Amino acid sequence: GDSVTQMEGPVTLSEEAFLTINCTYTATGYPSLFWYVQYPGEGLQLLLKATKADDKGSNKGFEATYRKETTSFHLEKGSVQVSDSAVYFCALSSSGGYNKLIFGAGTRLAVHP
Amino acid sequence: DSGVTQTPKHLITATGQRVTLRCSPRSGDLSVYWYQQSLDQGLQFLIQYYNGEERAKGNILERFSAQQFPDLHSELNLSSLELGDSALYFCASSVGKSTGNTEAFFGQGTRLTVV
Repeated sequence: GDSVTQMEGPVTLSEEAFLTINCTYTATGYPSLFWYVQYPGEGLQLLLKATKADDKGSNKGFEATYRKETTSFHLEKGSVQVSDSAVYFCALSSSGGYNKLIFGAGTRLAVHP
Repeated sequence: DSGVTQTPKHLITATGQRVTLRCSPRSGDLSVYWYQQSLDQGLQFLIQYYNGEERAKGNILERFSAQQFPDLHSELNLSSLELGDSALYFCASSVGKSTGNTEAFFGQGTRLTVV
C-alpha cells in the first residue's frame, strides 16, 4: 500500500542554519504531496503542497519539490528561526480515489538561538 | 485558529468505559476526517464522512464508531476502552470529498488517557 518515510529526528539546529528534512514515498498513480507542521499543543497545519511532478510548494521560507523520478519531497529552508521549532509531517493523498492523508512518522525540529 | 473545534480537549477514563469525542468542522466544509495519533503508530486515518455519509474507512477498530449529523458536526464513539487506546484524536475538515485537491484543516485534538 501507499506509504511515506521521513527521516528520524530530532533534528537540532542553530538559528540561521540550513534545514533539510528528507521524505520519500511509495504510491500507485500520481499522489498529491504535503508537508504539515505541528506546533506544541496544537493541531496540524498545512505548510505547503505539490500536486504533480516537478511542482514546487513554498510557504514561510520553506520549499519542497515533487520529484517523481526519486519519489521524494524533501523539505528545505535556507535559514531557520527558533519559531520554526515544531514537528514536521510529510504526507500523501493517493490519486486512486482514496480519501485519506497518509502521514510519515514526523520529524521533530529544535532550533536553538 | 483552524476553525475546526474539538471537545473535550482532555479526557481521562477507565478501561472498559465508553467515550464520545465531538468535532465541529469549519463553516462550509462537508468532509470530516478522524485520525488517531499515538507514539507507536504515528498518525493513523480512522474514518471519513462527507455530507452525512461514510465515505472512506481506515484502521478503525470495531469498538469504534462515528457519525456525522445533519448540521455536519461529527462524533467519534470509543467503547470497551483499553489502555492502548490512549492517544491524541484529531478531527480534520475539508470542503471537498478528497484530500488530494482540497486542503484539510485540523482541530487541536482530544487527548484521551485510559487508566
